[in-house]
Amino acid sequence: DAGVIQSPRHEVTEMGQEVTLRCKPISGHDYLFWYRQTMMRGLELLIYFNNNVPIDDSGMPEDRFSAKMPNASFSTLKIQPSEPRDSAVYFCASRRGGTGSDEQFFGPGTRLTVL
Amino acid sequence: AQKVTQAQTEISVVEKEDVTLDCVYETRDTTYYLFWYKQPPSGELVFLIRRNSFDEQNEISGRYSWNFQKSTSSFNFTITASQVVDSAVYFCALSGPRGSARQLTFGSGTQLTVLP
Repeated sequence: DAGVIQSPRHEVTEMGQEVTLRCKPISGHDYLFWYRQTMMRGLELLIYFNNNVPIDDSGMPEDRFSAKMPNASFSTLKIQPSEPRDSAVYFCASRRGGTGSDEQFFGPGTRLTVL
Repeated sequence: AQKVTQAQTEISVVEKEDVTLDCVYETRDTTYYLFWYKQPPSGELVFLIRRNSFDEQNEISGRYSWNFQKSTSSFNFTITASQVVDSAVYFCALSGPRGSARQLTFGSGTQLTVLP
């Protein structure tokens, strides 16, 4: 089975530009999570979806960040406009719901650099 | 609120030494799950183990072992006979009970360096 797929793996952009990160969860997984990893704050949850519906976006830093999940196999995290402090590694993770395994499977991450 | 503390920021050992990574957690949930993840230099997060709060049995998997003590809210991870390939950042994480989304709360990580 393919794991969680994220694209791009690396993104370098200039301040003020729009950035879109993409994630394809593992087929059959009901939950999708977006995490951000920085040296200062470590790994922190930004938002998660259950059955394509955003449930908790309290971790989203500000209105410049938005996330969507138009269907069960695709999610995006958008930053508009981007700022240098958004530079981080962004991870997407998914897991099955119900009484199935509660292990979260992580994608390889997208390393974002905002100049 | 949930919190995970990994007090050891960095540990350096010589190959073949044993090393223990500490993890202390806080939660108000009566049932919960604890995890360890490994992040090698390549950057991906690799799942190592999951333990639910009902099961306090220690677990051993090859050179890895885990000591869960509910009384002290600790879930420590020991690598026996460490190897250079064990060099990585190790994260302890906590999630809520079955029926919740069980999003993960991570500790700050411990950078383990195993020297040849």
